[in-house]
Amino acid sequence: GNSVTQMEGPVTLSEEAFLTINCTYTATGYPSLFWYVQYPGEGLQLLLKATKADDKGSNKGFEATYRKETTSFHLEKGSVQVSDSAVYFCALTESNFNKFYFGSGTKLNVKP
Amino acid sequence: GAGVSQSPRYKVAKRGQDVALRCDPISGHVSLFWYQQALGQGPEFLTYFQNEAQLDKSGLPSDRFFAERPEGSVSTLKIQRTQQEDSAVYLCASSLQGGNQPQHFGDGTRLSIL
Repeated sequence: GNSVTQMEGPVTLSEEAFLTINCTYTATGYPSLFWYVQYPGEGLQLLLKATKADDKGSNKGFEATYRKETTSFHLEKGSVQVSDSAVYFCALTESNFNKFYFGSGTKLNVKP
Repeated sequence: GAGVSQSPRYKVAKRGQDVALRCDPISGHVSLFWYQQALGQGPEFLTYFQNEAQLDKSGLPSDRFFAERPEGSVSTLKIQRTQQEDSAVYLCASSLQGGNQPQHFGDGTRLSIL
């Protein structure tokens, strides 16, 4: 079956620190991979995506590379800001299907 | 607005009551999805529509849950004889044409069953 596993949070960092949030997946076919972000009191927003192996998704300084050999899609940012504090969800969908499978989310707290 | 709109934002009901949650997708989006998000968890798939056709309802937890999209735009998720375990945030999402297209989410309806 399909599933997504994320590192547990919360993750607490100081401003300008390097961020990594781990995500690994299990899929029966060839999934597309996504990171969504949920700011306090708001809905989920697409952060970035990658649709095939070795693709790198990037947005707002965040990056993630689709690694088929390790079934991973780790989220990274070189220098976090207080405004990046949110919950981050890794998700997958397979092109022949329509449902998304989400990880349990990782809460990021960035302190000034 | 241009985003997915859900109403009400908050709903409190007594156990045993019926509730109806509304979703207005982005105009022109063919695909519509409902998810249930328990506290501290990721969204769990409930059901999927393509236009007015409900193509997948495998995630609905019981026959008390019913969803419809009669004209292929607005959708309603109905929960009959609510139970305390139904308390969650219910998210609606839409996309242009399913598949691996990104889903655009509403802010959700937070349902509390007393």
